[in-house]
Amino acid sequence: RKEVEQDPGPFNVPEGATVAFNCTYSNSASQSFFWYRQDCRKEPKLLMSVYSSGNEDGRFTAQLNRASQYISLLIRDSKLSDSATYLCVVNLYSGGYQKVTFGTGTKLQVIP
Amino acid sequence: DGGITQSPKYLFRKEGQNVTLSCEQNLNHDAMYWYRQDPGQGLRLIYYSQIVNDFQKGDIAEGYSVSREKKESFPLTVTSAQKNPTAFYLCASSPGRHQETQYFGPGTRLLVL
Repeated sequence: RKEVEQDPGPFNVPEGATVAFNCTYSNSASQSFFWYRQDCRKEPKLLMSVYSSGNEDGRFTAQLNRASQYISLLIRDSKLSDSATYLCVVNLYSGGYQKVTFGTGTKLQVIP
Repeated sequence: DGGITQSPKYLFRKEGQNVTLSCEQNLNHDAMYWYRQDPGQGLRLIYYSQIVNDFQKGDIAEGYSVSREKKESFPLTVTSAQKNPTAFYLCASSPGRHQETQYFGPGTRLLVL
């Protein structure tokens, strides 16, 4: 089983739609979680951290389910500019060192 | 303006040649990272450094080397031992001390001639 798994998509949604992505992780000791956005041929940029209680930033909502070992990202009222690849990131500290694992990303295409 | 810079944006390597990719940050971050991304794939960790003069191998360190002589700088050398170096190379930094949010540079595309 991969350490971090994402559905690669693409998710093709119309403008204004609500879309959700999940990301599962295998190590139950993982400690912190993030969502990044990556545009084509660009570097990843932090979208939001994921907190245990869930958190919201405008149209974006992130949730963590430790029992089932997944994080989710919900995008409401999709815009054309939301078209990108969304990467989940899982962090684990072990033996004094940090292990950062990126998912392979979920591609979102918002259609006019 | 604080940030991470990588140079060059594009780099061409001849067979048997070593090349060095630059990564500089002025964010006063302790930790720095090098990733490789291949088309349609996720990021894979090459090396990381949590503090000056210390670095650790990531998942795909073979054929690469790094140094961390200064806090601001974490250059990556792609050696001739790396047989498939064509990829997008991304450098990142994070504050460290359990503050793990990583910030990325714009990347370097390495192509083999």
